[in-house]
Amino acid sequence: DAGITQSPRHKVTETGTPVTLRCHQTENHRYMYWYRQDPGHGLRLIHYSYGVKDTDKGEVSDGYSVSRSKTEDFLLTLESATSSQTSVYFCATLETQEGYEQYFGPGTRLTVT
Amino acid sequence: GQQLNQSPQSMFIQEGEDVSMNCTSSSIFNTWLWYKQDPGEGPVLLIALYKAGELTSNGRLTAQFGITRKDSFLNISASIPSDVGIYFCAGREIGGSQGNLIFGKGTKLSVKP
Repeated sequence: DAGITQSPRHKVTETGTPVTLRCHQTENHRYMYWYRQDPGHGLRLIHYSYGVKDTDKGEVSDGYSVSRSKTEDFLLTLESATSSQTSVYFCATLETQEGYEQYFGPGTRLTVT
Repeated sequence: GQQLNQSPQSMFIQEGEDVSMNCTSSSIFNTWLWYKQDPGEGPVLLIALYKAGELTSNGRLTAQFGITRKDSFLNISASIPSDVGIYFCAGREIGGSQGNLIFGKGTKLSVKP
């Protein structure tokens, strides 16, 4: 357990509004990830970070941006939310560079109306 | 991109029965992980495998890293109602980017009490 919290846990927003989701970890893990989970698609990687200010795109990065100014925080921003971004978003952290055991947060359920 | 084929997609079993599920890939992996997700929560790591042929247990759960390095198996013995949930496999390709994982779409397990 990497002590991962996500906020908010639930959010309803309107199309076109900006939204920021926060992931906070207390274990000083180097790597952090944002996934979205949708029925029929499983978990898909949006963006990831391999250190402070070091980020890269995942499989479904269009429409999303991220920032990591501190080791413990990884922010996911939807600049202009669309209905297709309605999903459950999970943050994960990776314990070490040699092992690949990712630990997940509790998720944020986002609804874009 | 690379996808994992996880089967079965869902299964109903009687309490006390053994359960088997598997995951296959088209490329060679150096890591296999198995997660369980309960409704409304994030995936929880069950077992991690790092060597071909490796067999690892966690209570009533046993997972194996296939000798071809293209598959993995999870068995649950003497299932109980709390085993209900979605089980995900995840793997890392040899030469894969950073600590990124590829996820299967899950096996939904339902137990008849």
